[in-house]
Amino acid sequence: EPEVTQTPSHQVTQMGQEVILRCVPISNHLYFYWYRQILGQKVEFLVSFYNNEISEKSEIFDDQFSVERPDGSNFTLKIRSTKLEDSAMYFCASRLGTGEPLDFGAGTRLSVL
Amino acid sequence: GQNIDQPTEMTATEGAIVQINCTYQTSGFNGLFWYQQHAGEAPTFLSYNVLDGLEEKGRFSSFLSRSKGYSYLLLKELQMKDSASYLCAVHNDYKLSFGAGTTVTVRA
Repeated sequence: EPEVTQTPSHQVTQMGQEVILRCVPISNHLYFYWYRQILGQKVEFLVSFYNNEISEKSEIFDDQFSVERPDGSNFTLKIRSTKLEDSAMYFCASRLGTGEPLDFGAGTRLSVL
Repeated sequence: GQNIDQPTEMTATEGAIVQINCTYQTSGFNGLFWYQQHAGEAPTFLSYNVLDGLEEKGRFSSFLSRSKGYSYLLLKELQMKDSASYLCAVHNDYKLSFGAGTTVTVRA
């Protein structure tokens, strides 16, 4: 069964460093998302992406964050200058279309030291 | 703005039935999803309601009342492996917004 894949599974970085989290959505899906979940808290929406542009972004998704779909398969989240509070599990998700569920990747655990 | 409320925790016995309620107030509505999340893992899809009424899927059923902004997830014949967090999520505009989740503990 096709799945959303994310790499790496765990990323450790120093505060102020840039990180890129990578995702390969399911191949025929059209909508792409990034969510984050701080330990013990709820799953929070960051950004949605459709037709090669951002559809919606949350207040969390400030100028330090960016997304890119550099080719037909990858979908990346970049954090330019990481802060301690960026430590969380980051989930990529994709969806085929309206009324379809989001399929989530296994997540990348980001630890900012 | 939006508000999605569900109980924080519930405990039930193996073989029993548990009902998890969710109330929501959102600026738009394109459907309501229920997801299951085991600790340290990704959410996995359980059910979807867009029209009022009950959707049944094996041991899991979900109900929606759009006029009341209310849904519930019913888990029947509980098994130990059902111990997890259950997330209510509302789809509006271009995103899925999650509630804080209900942690269900199944005891033998």
